[in-house]
Amino acid sequence: EDQVTQSPEALRLQEGESSSLNCSYTVSGLRGLFWYRQDPGKGPEFLFTLYSAGEEKEKERLKATLTKKESFLHITAPKPEDSATYLCAVTTNFGNEKLTFGTGTRLTIIP
Amino acid sequence: DAGITQSPRHKVTETGTPVTLRCHQTENHRYMYWYRQDPGHGLRLIHYSYGVKDTDKGEVSDGYSVSRSKTEDFLLTLESATSSQTSVYFCAMSSSGSYNEQFFGPGTRLTVL
Repeated sequence: EDQVTQSPEALRLQEGESSSLNCSYTVSGLRGLFWYRQDPGKGPEFLFTLYSAGEEKEKERLKATLTKKESFLHITAPKPEDSATYLCAVTTNFGNEKLTFGTGTRLTIIP
Repeated sequence: DAGITQSPRHKVTETGTPVTLRCHQTENHRYMYWYRQDPGHGLRLIHYSYGVKDTDKGEVSDGYSVSRSKTEDFLLTLESATSSQTSVYFCAMSSSGSYNEQFFGPGTRLTVL
């Protein structure tokens, strides 16, 4: 069965303190890995798609990387507005349209 | 978000009553999805559609049905609501299926008493 595990569950950082969020996956035939940001009371907002090991994507203070077993979301010099829950999800070559989500990392940036 | 809306945004109902949630998109995307989000479980796929009148089950489809009579509308029906169906429901859309990103609506918070 496909599994996605995110760590840590929660992370509190001071403004400007860089860190990384982890998404480890166990799937048969990764098709794509997705990162989303979710603010309280809202739907997930798409951030990145990664398709193959070694791939990297960047957007403002965020950079996502992918290996054969895990993905990292690096946050450089975060600001309070980066506070949110970050979700990781995967699709596989054998799962039809199923997008398997992790339970997320709740990130809090303290001013 | 932009291009995809859900209604109602909040609903309280009683056990045993039928409930229909609506998802409407303006992007002409082929694929549409219904998820539920519960603490400790993350987002789980209920049903999805890959075209008008074409639908299939997700991982938690028991107790739910869907219909898609037009490209822009995807309805989720709880035939007889139960307390275990209290959740936040999200609709999503995609232009070309699971190979590409999905864009989510704002969600519907459903409480079944």
